[in-house]
Amino acid sequence: AQKVTQAQTEISVVEKEDVTLDCVYETRDTTYYLFWYKQPPSGELVFLIRRNSFDEQNEISGRYSWNFQKSTSSFNFTITASQVVDSAVYFCALRGTSGTYKYIFGTGTRLKVLA
Amino acid sequence: IAGITQAPTSQILAAGRRMTLRCTQDMRHNAMYWYRQDLGLGLRLIHYSNTAGTTGKGEVPDGYSVSRANTDDFPLTLASAVPSQTSVYFCASSSSTSGFTDTQYFGPGTRLTVL
Repeated sequence: AQKVTQAQTEISVVEKEDVTLDCVYETRDTTYYLFWYKQPPSGELVFLIRRNSFDEQNEISGRYSWNFQKSTSSFNFTITASQVVDSAVYFCALRGTSGTYKYIFGTGTRLKVLA
Repeated sequence: IAGITQAPTSQILAAGRRMTLRCTQDMRHNAMYWYRQDLGLGLRLIHYSNTAGTTGKGEVPDGYSVSRANTDDFPLTLASAVPSQTSVYFCASSSSTSGFTDTQYFGPGTRLTVL
């Protein structure tokens, strides 16, 4: 079975603090894909990043960085120097390569960045 | 049209009524998906279509039906709405169902309330 766990339901930080959102996944597939999406208060789902299972390089995009560790089945997301505009619900998702290619989403982490 | 559009934006519906949520994409993506988003449960897949003419069941298909007559459109029908179908519904699409390009892009969502 495939599963994505985002144990942090809600996180509050003060602007300019760094924050890490955790994502732990389970899959028996040897090849799989991991994703992060952002859902701001306006409600749309915005794609942030895709990571392939055979590429464990960490990625940085501006203030965003992602730490993928197969050894711990984690794909954590860090926002550096957080801003109020980062306030949103963030979803981690897993897509395996067996079966029907379905995405499995975590339950999301609500991030509140306070001014 | 750019990306994925959904209609209506929101709807209040009496229980027992039939309702079709519309989804159209202009990216010529092969695969399309319907999700429902409920508080604390994340996004759950209702139905999907890997290509025009084919559909499949997701995690929570009961009470819903879909069709995929062409590449661009993927309507979701509630034959006889019940209050438990009150949710936010997201349509998504991806260019393929395998390989590196299967990033799902989401529409703006439809907020449905069944009374």
